[in-house]
Amino acid sequence: DTGVSQDPRHKITKRGQNVTFRCDPISEHNRLYWYRQTLGQGPEFLTYFQNEAQLEKSRLLSDRFSAERPKGSFSTLEIQRTEQGDSAMYLCASGQNYGYTFGSGTRLTVV
Amino acid sequence: AQSVTQLDSQVPVFEEAPVELRCNYSSSVSVYLFWYVQYPNQGLQLLLKYLSGSTLVKGINGFEAEFNKSQTSFHLRKPSVHISDTAEYFCAVSPQTGANNLFFGTGTRLTVIP
Repeated sequence: DTGVSQDPRHKITKRGQNVTFRCDPISEHNRLYWYRQTLGQGPEFLTYFQNEAQLEKSRLLSDRFSAERPKGSFSTLEIQRTEQGDSAMYLCASGQNYGYTFGSGTRLTVV
Repeated sequence: AQSVTQLDSQVPVFEEAPVELRCNYSSSVSVYLFWYVQYPNQGLQLLLKYLSGSTLVKGINGFEAEFNKSQTSFHLRKPSVHISDTAEYFCAVSPQTGANNLFFGTGTRLTVIP
């Protein structure tokens, strides 16, 4: 068990491009969460999966954002037509029984 | 709805001195409470959590926190800080039902001065 892994660690993209991030949770955890953290702020909830089912989405998750968790294992977060306001750290967490483990995050910079 | 207020954005403290980081919350439902620490360019590490039972919770690295339901507070304390405690600290709450996602405060930057 190597914890929660996120890939890539850093991503620089041009405005209007699509980007995809990957999260590999702790294998026995059935819950998976995505958060977004901007500079000087705490993380904000984006979406939640229980196994492969996406059960909740924040209103922060605009139509340009989509997340999947095929087969209840790894998860991907895609942002289409990126905007400068999407620049942030994207954090993934997995957990069960109120024990949440966070990955190191993917830092996205949109130029 | 849930909200978390961390009253101090920055707390400087001398090495080996005690520290208290303050956290107040509001919620329309019952919540669990958490403190996380974040080092630069890293994810969040759980320091401690309150789910039920004794209101005084002990965590890692010598930290402890006390849940006060009447004051809706969950302040974090350490009797003697080290240089390595310099980091960003986040208080968070999670509804006891539903998605159990975390709602975070804006963080407190703890700087330990040698």
